Amino acid sequence: SQTIHQWPATLVQPVGSPLSLECTVEGTSNPNLYWYRQAAGRGLQLLFYSVGIGQISSEVPQNLSASRPQDRQFILSSKKLLLSDSGFYLCAWSPDRGGTIYFGEGSWLTVV
Amino acid sequence: GNSVTQMEGPVTLSEEAFLTINCTYTATGYPSLFWYVQYPGEGLQLLLKATKADDKGSNKGFEATYRKETTSFHLEKGSVQVSDSAVYFCALGALRGTDKLIFGTGTRLQVFP
Repeated sequence: SQTIHQWPATLVQPVGSPLSLECTVEGTSNPNLYWYRQAAGRGLQLLFYSVGIGQISSEVPQNLSASRPQDRQFILSSKKLLLSDSGFYLCAWSPDRGGTIYFGEGSWLTVV
Repeated sequence: GNSVTQMEGPVTLSEEAFLTINCTYTATGYPSLFWYVQYPGEGLQLLLKATKADDKGSNKGFEATYRKETTSFHLEKGSVQVSDSAVYFCALGALRGTDKLIFGTGTRLQVFP
C-alpha cells in the first residue's frame, strides 16, 4: 500500500532563518506531488505542484521554493523565513493518471 | 474562476443530532467533488467523494450527493458522535486533468455528549 510521510512534525524557527521540510511517498511510482499551506483561521492553499523529477509549478508568488530531486521526494524550502510563513504545511500525492489526492500528517511551522 | 464556498463554523451539536454542512461550488465543466476531514493535530483524510452528477459518496455514516442543478455537495450525517468533532473541508478537483484541489475554508464541528 502507498504511504506518505513528512517531517519534521513541528518546527519553531526565527525570522530570517532557512527552512527545509521533506516529504516522501512509498509504494507508488511517478506520483503527482503537492505542497499545501493552512494558515491560522484560513483554508488550504496550494503552494507547489509537481508532475515529475525537477518539474515544479508554483501557484502563488511567495518566499518559498520547492524541489523534487527524486521521483518520490518533495522538499519545501526557504532561504529566509518571514513571520507570515507560519502555518500548517501539508504534503500530498495523487496517482500519475489522476484521481484522489492523499495527504501526509502535516508539519506545524512557527516563525518567531 | 473556480471556487468552493462552505458554511462558516463552528457547528455545535449534541451527540446523536443530525448534521448538515453546506457546500456549493462554481466551476466550468464537470469537476469531481470531495469532502476531507481533519481531526485535531492531524493531516487531512479523504472522507468521501463523487465524480459525476447525482453520485452519492458515503463513508462512516456520512454522505453527500453531487447536485449539478444546485451546484452543491452538502455533507450529512444522521447521528453524530463526539468522535466526529473535527474540521471538514469541501473541495473541487480534477479540472482539466490537473488533479489540483480547490478547498473551501473548512467548517469546524464540535459534538458534545
